[in-house]
Amino acid sequence: SQTIHQWPATLVQPVGSPLSLECTVEGTSNPNLYWYRQAAGRGLQLLFYSVGIGQISSEVPQNLSASRPQDRQFILSSKKLLLSDSGFYLCAWTPPAREETQYFGPGTRLLVL
Amino acid sequence: AQKVTQAQTEISVVEKEDVTLDCVYETRDTTYYLFWYKQPPSGELVFLIRRNSFDEQNEISGRYSWNFQKSTSSFNFTITASQVVDSAVYFCALSEEKTSGSRLTFGEGTQLTVNP
Repeated sequence: SQTIHQWPATLVQPVGSPLSLECTVEGTSNPNLYWYRQAAGRGLQLLFYSVGIGQISSEVPQNLSASRPQDRQFILSSKKLLLSDSGFYLCAWTPPAREETQYFGPGTRLLVL
Repeated sequence: AQKVTQAQTEISVVEKEDVTLDCVYETRDTTYYLFWYKQPPSGELVFLIRRNSFDEQNEISGRYSWNFQKSTSSFNFTITASQVVDSAVYFCALSEEKTSGSRLTFGEGTQLTVNP
């Protein structure tokens, strides 16, 4: 069966520091991968999605970037964190077919101080 | 542009009451998919149901039921005989048909609290 992992689970970082969040999926090949952010107040915002290695689509211009160095690995990065980057970051995956259900990982809670 | 509206920000009920969570959507696509997810306090989003735009049959799964009405662009979720474990934030979401990837547009969520 497929599983999705995210780490770290929680992170406290100072403003201006770099960021690297990792998401990996097991038990599937060539998944579509997604990064969402959930700020305080519950709404989920799609940040990036990827349909293959090295293929990244950005939904919202911001301080963050994403990379997909391997088929089942999706990384969210920042060179310099802002206070507004605080939030709950969720990774999701779907099979490569169109219009499949997205399944979410456990999330990473990021607090920027 | 797609939009999902969950007008109920918070709902509080007493255990064993029935509760309905409303969801209204907007889309120009003729083919689309609707979803409900549950987010317990742990934070992980748990998939509950997916419905495509051509299937207006209502669905029941245990204490959960969903009412999809294309004429009113609504996809409401009812929990029968609610339990304390149902306390969570519930999200309705809409996906658009694209050539690659399937991007979800989420509502703002409804915080459901079931009191003993």
